[in-house]
Amino acid sequence: GQNIDQPTEMTATEGAIVQINCTYQTSGFNGLFWYQQHAGEAPTFLSYNVLDGLEEKGRFSSFLSRSKGYSYLLLKELQMKDSASYLCAVRVPGAGNMLTFGGGTRLMVKP
Amino acid sequence: DGGITQSPKYLFRKEGQNVTLSCEQNLNHDAMYWYRQDPGQGLRLIYYSQIVNDFQKGDIAEGYSVSREKKESFPLTVTSAQKNPTAFYLCASSSQGANEKLFFGSGTQLSVL
Repeated sequence: GQNIDQPTEMTATEGAIVQINCTYQTSGFNGLFWYQQHAGEAPTFLSYNVLDGLEEKGRFSSFLSRSKGYSYLLLKELQMKDSASYLCAVRVPGAGNMLTFGGGTRLMVKP
Repeated sequence: DGGITQSPKYLFRKEGQNVTLSCEQNLNHDAMYWYRQDPGQGLRLIYYSQIVNDFQKGDIAEGYSVSREKKESFPLTVTSAQKNPTAFYLCASSSQGANEKLFFGSGTQLSVL
């Protein structure tokens, strides 16, 4: 089966930097996605990594190491509106192009 | 505007009743998906469809059924066989291709009366 692990909850302070880790063990790999989800709403796409390295997009960056089965999402200059769940998802080859999701990390940003 | 629409936003089911959740997309996407999300949990795949008139079971298909008669539509029926249906249901769609992201609808919260 597929296994994707993330911390359940994290807390950080407004203006700070936070790193949310994701480790995966899957039968193949066709890319890793990060989504943001506010409570009761649809997940929204943040980033996509398929090659090793860092992808930067404004305040958000995502890193991938395929050899280690590891990714992280880095959020800089935290704002209160960043309080949400962050979902790590892996695309496995030959599985209908679907994404397999981790349990999500609930981030609480405090003043 | 292109997008993916789910309805209703909230739905209540009585014992022994089947209910159907609607999902429509105008993004011209071939693939559509249904995920279930329990409180504080990640998303689990119920069913997916890569093309019209074809669909496959996901990890938790028992107690659910789907149809894909049109490219734009992928309704999900929660049958009476699903004994624990209370959850947040998310529909998604994507183009084919390994780098294609999923677009999600706004979800349906299903509760049991």
